Amino acid sequence: GAVVSQHPSRVICKSGTSVKIECRSLDFQATTMFWYRQFPKQSLMLMATSNEGSKATYEQGVEKDKFLINHASLTLSTLTVTSAHPEDSSFYICGGTGVSDYGYTFGSGTRLTVV
Amino acid sequence: GNSVTQMEGPVTLSEEAFLTINCTYTATGYPSLFWYVQYPGEGLQLLLKATKADDKGSNKGFEATYRKETTSFHLEKGSVQVSDSAVYFCALMISNFGNEKLTFGTGTRLTIIP
Repeated sequence: GAVVSQHPSRVICKSGTSVKIECRSLDFQATTMFWYRQFPKQSLMLMATSNEGSKATYEQGVEKDKFLINHASLTLSTLTVTSAHPEDSSFYICGGTGVSDYGYTFGSGTRLTVV
Repeated sequence: GNSVTQMEGPVTLSEEAFLTINCTYTATGYPSLFWYVQYPGEGLQLLLKATKADDKGSNKGFEATYRKETTSFHLEKGSVQVSDSAVYFCALMISNFGNEKLTFGTGTRLTIIP
């Protein structure tokens, strides 16, 4: 089946620094990658949608300059949280779709803690 | 707009009990419906899905039937196990040719006690 590898699984960073999260589709070409954020005891909120080779489309209220998304190839998409603050602490998860019947394939998520 | 309303948890059941987690939806168009499961410390895994009215999705003893008349997709299992303890998300998707966003419910935390 389709697999998306997401790294790191956990990261702790200092306030003001940047953190990069990677999602790689291992056995399919992810033409579209969706990035979600999950607050404690809440649902997954879509942050942005990225299509390979084009700029990401951000949901309303998501700061595109703070959450940089790059989808330069069909197998790699990255989310960079710039100038992180404690309120950015959350669980981030990517989900890829491709030209197959796999539908959505999610990564295992990244727990970000900003101290 | 599209939305999913899911039974609030947490839900605690004894092993071998019958499980129902309610899910209703509002959508423009004809959505596909999904149940995802998130085990502790892991990402989301697709549990089952249904793509049209009256379809029944099933997997690992779980079932859900796409009910268009009641706009529902309730998750059921006849006899739960401790290993079923997880958070369950109901979700819908409207296919839009390359823009298939999933809209999630709030999730229901299920705990099964021996």
